[in-house]
Amino acid sequence: EVQLVESGGGLVQPGGSLRLSCAVSGFSFSTYWMNWVRQAPGKGLEWLANINQDGSEKFYVDSVKGRFTTSRDNAKNSLYLEINSLRDEDTAVYYCVKGQMDAWGKGTTVTVSS
Amino acid sequence: QAVVTQEPSLTVSPGGTVTLTCGSSTGAVTSGHYPYWFQQRPGQAPRALIYDTNYKHSWTPGRFSGSLLGGKAALTLSGAQPDDEAEYYCLLYYGGPWVFGGGTKLTVL
Repeated sequence: EVQLVESGGGLVQPGGSLRLSCAVSGFSFSTYWMNWVRQAPGKGLEWLANINQDGSEKFYVDSVKGRFTTSRDNAKNSLYLEINSLRDEDTAVYYCVKGQMDAWGKGTTVTVSS
Repeated sequence: QAVVTQEPSLTVSPGGTVTLTCGSSTGAVTSGHYPYWFQQRPGQAPRALIYDTNYKHSWTPGRFSGSLLGGKAALTLSGAQPDDEAEYYCLLYYGGPWVFGGGTKLTVL
């Protein structure tokens, strides 16, 4: 069974940093692109970033370039999202999504508030 | 980056047919945008319904179909059921980044 489990969310002050993790199982992680998608409370989905199989290619939505960094560890079947200089508008549920968008985690909630 | 547009809301009668569309600010949507469609019910993670314009996943009900229509991607629901009431999102590829549409709230009434 394909599983993606995000972790690392929480309450953080504006300007702070977080590292989100996504542990995957049930598929050959190292052979897939992976994505991060978020959803602010009551809002739509926003694609954030993706990373290719060996981590050599990454793309980001313009609004997070320079603040968000995605990486992966294929030996640990894990995907990461480093978020810096957090802003109120980064408050959202963050989803880890398998490359062909056919499998999603349940998400981890990030709340930015003082 | 591009803006992807969807109808904010649509209503369909039980058993009826409805088409949701997905447009791009950069011009016509083509197969090269690899259009995806997702369904999201309240409190749940999104679920993929359609990929690469018109391909269905094994779990996609047969009443859903994808196409290109008039320069847009389209999701057609034929024979709507109460269970289809949900938010629907399209997703388009722009040569690296992807962009979601704003979503369509579908009411079955």
